[in-house]
Amino acid sequence: EVQLVESGGGLVQPGGSLRLSCAASGFTLTNFWIHWVRQAPGKGLVWVSRINRDGSYTNYADSVKGRFTISRDNAKNTVSLQMNSLRAEDTAVYFCARDLTNSQDFWGQGILVTVSS
Amino acid sequence: QSALTQPASVSGSPGQSITISCSGTNSDVGHYKYVSWYQQHPGKAPKLMIYDVSNRPSGVSNRFSGSKSGNTASLTISGLQAEDEADYYCNSYTRSTTYVFGTGTKVTVL
Repeated sequence: EVQLVESGGGLVQPGGSLRLSCAASGFTLTNFWIHWVRQAPGKGLVWVSRINRDGSYTNYADSVKGRFTISRDNAKNTVSLQMNSLRAEDTAVYFCARDLTNSQDFWGQGILVTVSS
Repeated sequence: QSALTQPASVSGSPGQSITISCSGTNSDVGHYKYVSWYQQHPGKAPKLMIYDVSNRPSGVSNRFSGSKSGNTASLTISGLQAEDEADYYCNSYTRSTTYVFGTGTKVTVL
C-alpha cells in the first residue's frame, strides 16, 4: 500500500525554523518526483515546492522562495522541507504528495505548522 | 501567480449532473494538458480524481469526467451521490514551471 507520512510540524515563533519530513512506503521513492502543498485553516490548497527523482532539480512558489528548501534522501525513503524565516502566513497544514504526470496522485495525511508568538 | 477561478459553490440533487469550471490563462490551463482535479472531504487529504485534463486514476468512478476548452477546464460529476459532497480543486502546471490550484468549489448534494 502506498503511504506518505508527514512529521515535524508544531508551533514555532515568527522568524523561527522548522523541518518537515515525509516518509514514503509501499513504492520506490526514487521513481517519483515529490511535491509539498499547504492549506491554511479554512482556505484552499496552495502548491509550495517539488523535487525531482534524484534531488538535482527543485521548484518553489514565489511566496517561499529563498526561505524554504526541499531535499530528499532516497536511501532513507524520505523527503524534507526545511522552513526558515517563518511568518504567520505560513501557518497551514502541509501535505507531501507523489507526482503523476504533473498532478499529485497520493497524499500524506498532512501536518500542522503554526507560526505564532 | 493568481489562483485559478472556480465557482464558490455548486449544488445538485441526487442523480443529477453538475459541472465545475476552472478558469485560467494561456500561461497555465490554456498552455498545457496538465490539468488535474481533486476531491477533499473535511479534515481529509485531497484525492486525485482527474489528471491530464480527462484521465481517471484507477479506482475513481466513471461518473467523474474532465475536459478543457481554451483557458477553461471543467469537471463533470454525473449521477450525483451523497458521497460526492465535498470541496473540489483544479490544478494546472504553469509556464513558470510551478503549479497553481483553483480557488475551490464546495459541492452540495441537495
